[in-house]
Amino acid sequence: EAGVVQSPRYKIIEKKQPVAFWCNPISGHNTLYWYLQNLGQGPELLIRYENEEAVDDSQLPKDRFSAERLKGVDSTLKIQPAELGDSAVYLCASSPGLLAGETYEQYFGPGTRLTVT
Amino acid sequence: KQEVTQIPAALSVPEGENLVLNCSFTDSAIYNLQWFRQDPGKGLTSLLLIQSSQREQTSGRLNASLDKSSGRSTLYIAASQPGDSATYLCAVKSSNDYKLSFGAGTTVTVRA
Repeated sequence: EAGVVQSPRYKIIEKKQPVAFWCNPISGHNTLYWYLQNLGQGPELLIRYENEEAVDDSQLPKDRFSAERLKGVDSTLKIQPAELGDSAVYLCASSPGLLAGETYEQYFGPGTRLTVT
Repeated sequence: KQEVTQIPAALSVPEGENLVLNCSFTDSAIYNLQWFRQDPGKGLTSLLLIQSSQREQTSGRLNASLDKSSGRSTLYIAASQPGDSATYLCAVKSSNDYKLSFGAGTTVTVRA
């Protein structure tokens, strides 16, 4: 079974430029998460989707960040314009969904390492 | 807000020694606790998941305990090997909103 797929793996852009990250979750997983991980810290949730609905985007900086999950499968996270402080690893994760009895275990992709210069 | 702390931040041991990694959390209203491993430049790999009703979970050389009332979990790795060198992250899932809160991790180096 394929894991969570993310692309690109690495991205270097100049500040004020736009950037987009793509994630394809594990097949059949209804819940999708985007996390941001700064160096030396644990991941922090940006947004959580249940199917195509964003059920928790309270930590997403909406002035410059946006996300979508059309058709409830793969998802795109966008930053426009990027700032120096956005340099970090962006992780995507998925889990089977809010079904009774499931463990809510999350499976993570390899991440996209963004460098803003 | 759930606060998750991992001590120590870094650990270096000779091969063969047992590893003890600590995780503490402030809110005991948890659904489960998960231990992850992260290699440099890679994503997170789930090692063990403990439900709030469980006291421990074991997988091979790994054993994780959970004391929900005191807000603590410990990950034990027996007979460490150089391949165990990585960062180990503890994450707690809240039973209120199902958010996963991470610690900053413990970076382990096992010397051959």
